[in-house]
Amino acid sequence: KAGVTQTPRYLIKTRGQQVTLSCSPISGHRSVSWYQQTPGQGLQFLFEYFSETQRNKGNFPGRFSGRQFSNSRSEMNVSTLELGDSALYLCASSLRGSDTQYFGPGTRLTVL
Amino acid sequence: GIQVEQSPPDLILQEGANSTLRCNFSDSVNNLQWFHQNPWGQLINLFYIPSGTKQNGRLSATTVATERYSLLYISSSQTTDSGVYFCAVERTTDSWGKLQFGAGTQVVVTP
Repeated sequence: KAGVTQTPRYLIKTRGQQVTLSCSPISGHRSVSWYQQTPGQGLQFLFEYFSETQRNKGNFPGRFSGRQFSNSRSEMNVSTLELGDSALYLCASSLRGSDTQYFGPGTRLTVL
Repeated sequence: GIQVEQSPPDLILQEGANSTLRCNFSDSVNNLQWFHQNPWGQLINLFYIPSGTKQNGRLSATTVATERYSLLYISSSQTTDSGVYFCAVERTTDSWGKLQFGAGTQVVVTP
């Protein structure tokens, strides 16, 4: 069974731009969670989607948004990029949400 | 929110040594996972262990939910065990895929 895939793997953007990251979960998994990892703040939860509905959200500004499609693939969008948004963005999939989460390889975003 | 504390923050081991990593959490949980993050950033799931004991090769883990701690044991360490080990929990009242991560234990295994 294929693992969680994320595209693109690397991105370089400038301040003020917006970016869209994509995550394809393991086949059959309906829950997708997103996390941000930075050296200063560690791993922080962004949001979780299940059956196209956002069920949970972390403490991030409204510039961070996401969605999930009917095939469980998910995208997250960051608008008006700031230097502090430079991070590794990880997505994880699971069957239901409150069970084993499997992580993708991440998208490394650099904001200049 | 729930607090997750990992110790020690750093660990240097000689190949072949055994070690114990600890994770303390401040509230009841319905999900606890241990991960190993490799140098490329990939988080590898080691154990899903909200309670009880599990073993997988040279690794084993124990969670005592009533006392709010979990232990990860590494036996006969190898250089490939190097990396950061994270404990992550989902609070019972949070549910829905929200893992709270500890700060991690950086492990270096020397030949």
